[in-house]
Amino acid sequence: GAGVSQTPSNKVTEKGKYVELRCDPISGHTALYWYRQSLGQGPEFLIYFQGTGAADDSGLPNDRFFAVRPEGSVSTLKIQRTERGDSAVYLCASSLTGVGNEKLFFGSGTQLSVL
Amino acid sequence: GDSVTQMEGPVTLSEEAFLTINCTYTATGYPSLFWYVQYPGEGLQLLLKATKADDKGSNKGFEATYRKETTSFHLEKGSVQVSDSAVYFCALSDGPDKLIFGTGTRLQVFP
Repeated sequence: GAGVSQTPSNKVTEKGKYVELRCDPISGHTALYWYRQSLGQGPEFLIYFQGTGAADDSGLPNDRFFAVRPEGSVSTLKIQRTERGDSAVYLCASSLTGVGNEKLFFGSGTQLSVL
Repeated sequence: GDSVTQMEGPVTLSEEAFLTINCTYTATGYPSLFWYVQYPGEGLQLLLKATKADDKGSNKGFEATYRKETTSFHLEKGSVQVSDSAVYFCALSDGPDKLIFGTGTRLQVFP
């Protein structure tokens, strides 16, 4: 596609529910990143995929958060037992190889609201 | 750990004014430094970068110089336009896997 696509653009859920957020990276990009941006803050790193594998998941806040990228393209961020503190914009980015200081291409994000 | 500190906004300027947005960093290694911009309704975009000390990144009239002695990477533009109104994020990278962002500075330019 032309850019990184994230769906849905908005998600409202209730405390305790399970949610899935989807990211479609730019075709051919092997590196994929998830970030979380709370109101008034900069994006915070969550996880980095190189191909199908999670090369660095040190930013995931706890075991309620999990992400997959089974075919090395589309990625899904999964959040179990959502809490009000999970409310934020979840950003996905991709880059061609993930090596060096490559430009990251960001999607427009999914605004998650936990009521 | 590594961190980035940016001046708080909003920064409000008239068209054609000079812009400076301050950014300082703390890092144990020799990071690469970036400025990303988020225009209203759009995703984050790379504006410019510098990978080593004394490098100057530039794009669209914006410039920033990597100053190791002052651990700074201030963003400047000589003459801003209304279309430059956006949120600007300073960031550093100490490896291939993650960027560490500042909190962002909102710029508002009025005609």
